[in-house]
Amino acid sequence: GAVVSQHPSWVICKSGTSVKIECRSLDFQATTMFWYRQFPKQSLMLMATSNEGSKATYEQGVEKDKFLINHASLTLSTLTVTSAHPEDSSFYICSASNRLDGYTFGSGTRLTVV
Amino acid sequence: GNSVTQMEGPVTLSEEAFLTINCTYTATGYPSLFWYVQYPGEGLQLLLKATKADDKGSNKGFEATYRKETTSFHLEKGSVQVSDSAVYFCALTNYGGSQGNLIFGKGTKLSVKP
Repeated sequence: GAVVSQHPSWVICKSGTSVKIECRSLDFQATTMFWYRQFPKQSLMLMATSNEGSKATYEQGVEKDKFLINHASLTLSTLTVTSAHPEDSSFYICSASNRLDGYTFGSGTRLTVV
Repeated sequence: GNSVTQMEGPVTLSEEAFLTINCTYTATGYPSLFWYVQYPGEGLQLLLKATKADDKGSNKGFEATYRKETTSFHLEKGSVQVSDSAVYFCALTNYGGSQGNLIFGKGTKLSVKP
């Protein structure tokens, strides 16, 4: 079936540094990928939609200069949290659209900024 | 706007008990409805879906019926197992196929005791 690999699964970084999260579709091509953020006991909130070869579309309230999204190929999208601060600590999940059941999710990345 | 409301957890049941997790939605038009499951340490997996009114999605003993008159998509299982312990998310998309993003409920954590 369709598999999405998300890496790393967890990361701890110092305040002010940048962190890159990768999301790869392993056995299918994903023209569209979605990035979600999940706070404790909250639902997944869509941050942005990335389309291969074009700029990402960000949801209202999401800083595009802080959360850089690159979707340079049909199998890879990256989210870079720039100049991370403790309030950016969260669980980030990517999702890619596929032809089988619609959406395949990565296993998520737990980011802790100290 | 579109939204999903699902019952707050956690839900704790004994093995072989009957499970219901309520989910109601607000959406324009005719959304597709989904239930996703997240096992500990894993990504979200599609459990079942329904794309039009009165459709019943089913998988692994779980069922949910798309009720447009009550804008609901409640998840049920007649006899839960310890292996069903996970977080369950109700979601909708108002786009055809898999080109649009999913809107999620907050998730309901289920714990099944032997």
